[in-house]
Amino acid sequence: QQPVQSPQAVILREGEDAVINCSSSKALYSVHWYRQKHGEAPVFLMILLKGGEQKGHEKISASFNEKKQQSSLYLTASQLSYSGTYFCGTARISGSRLTFGEGTQLTVNP
Amino acid sequence: DAGVTQSPTHLIKTRGQQVTLRCSPKSGHDTVSWYQQALGQGPQFIFQYYEEEERQRGNFPDRFSGHQFPNYSSELNVNALLLGDSALYLCASSLGLDIGLNGYTFGSGTRLTVV
Repeated sequence: QQPVQSPQAVILREGEDAVINCSSSKALYSVHWYRQKHGEAPVFLMILLKGGEQKGHEKISASFNEKKQQSSLYLTASQLSYSGTYFCGTARISGSRLTFGEGTQLTVNP
Repeated sequence: DAGVTQSPTHLIKTRGQQVTLRCSPKSGHDTVSWYQQALGQGPQFIFQYYEEEERQRGNFPDRFSGHQFPNYSSELNVNALLLGDSALYLCASSLGLDIGLNGYTFGSGTRLTVV
């Protein structure tokens, strides 16, 4: 079952904040977040594990709400380099393949 | 340290033809997964290879097959190409069957166009 991402697209000015959500109708073991710039490979950002805590760095962090089976990616004080398409990938059990959402296109303007 | 290498980068084929895509995983990785990414969509899982065997398979027809070699590199073969097979094919490598805390390392992909 493909996770649902929202919003589909967001446009920011440099320095603004954004939240991207990823929801599943099934219980999850883990949620991965990747960023893909146009014409490039997806790049791993972070993983949230069942029972784990919020992770990330100062400006990009994520959380995983097990009750809601929802993960959120937080981008604060956005930079131009944050532009790209963000994908969440979910796994229902340890060792299983990732099922990706359709992506959220983030554009950061000067 | 080389990342994931895929070849060729672009390919144009005619309907009904066969194609082979190649992937060399990141140094130190032994598991290769293949994904198909249609334009504007998220990657869809095709299959995973570990220890030269197909370990998991997504919802793709038998026209899609693969192979893993002793040096961990992998090939994706698609027979009887259809227009709908046009997509970006991504190779992702990892260590062991569990993706682990470092996630996948993806290659830049092969853009396949079927005409």
